[in-house]
Amino acid sequence: EPEVTQTPSHQVTQMGQEVILRCVPISNHLYFYWYRQILGQKVEFLVSFYNNEISEKSEIFDDQFSVERPDGSNFTLKIRSTKLEDSAMYFCASSAPDQPQHFGDGTRLSIL
Amino acid sequence: AQTVTQSQPEMSVQEAETVTLSCTYDTSESDYYLFWYKQPPSRQMILVIRQEAYKQQNATENRFSVNFQKAAKSFSLKISDSQLGDAAMYFCAYSLLRGDYKLSFGAGTTVTVRA
Repeated sequence: EPEVTQTPSHQVTQMGQEVILRCVPISNHLYFYWYRQILGQKVEFLVSFYNNEISEKSEIFDDQFSVERPDGSNFTLKIRSTKLEDSAMYFCASSAPDQPQHFGDGTRLSIL
Repeated sequence: AQTVTQSQPEMSVQEAETVTLSCTYDTSESDYYLFWYKQPPSRQMILVIRQEAYKQQNATENRFSVNFQKAAKSFSLKISDSQLGDAAMYFCAYSLLRGDYKLSFGAGTTVTVRA
């Protein structure tokens, strides 16, 4: 069964550094998403992406964050200048119209 | 904005018994989806079951079933014949039936299964 693939599984970064989290969605899916889960808390929506542009973003998704689909297969989340509070599990998901979202296994981001 | 509320932080069930997790939501929309996702200690997000709001029949997937009460905006999950592998965090989630289908999650319920 096709899967959403996320790399790396764990990223450790110094505060203030830029980080790029990578995702390969399921190939025939059209909608792409990033979610965040701070340890012990609920999963929060960050951003959705459709037709090569952001369709919706949450208040968490400020100017430090950006998304890109550089080559038609990868879907990346960039955090420009990381803060301690960016430490979380980041999930990528993709979906076809009217179908449930499929989640990747997540990237655990630790900011030191 | 849509909100999803799970009022039970933790539930414990004896192996082979049944446990029911509650979820309520708030929306002004008439067409939407509701989901239950399972998150084991590995922290993967696994879809358990989906319900379309326009369907009156409650969804069922093997040992998992829902009780969808649209007027009450209630969506509970019943796990029958509980197994040790059911131990996980369970999240209730909502999305619209159109647009970008973003998910709004509840705070989650941790299910412990006693052997």
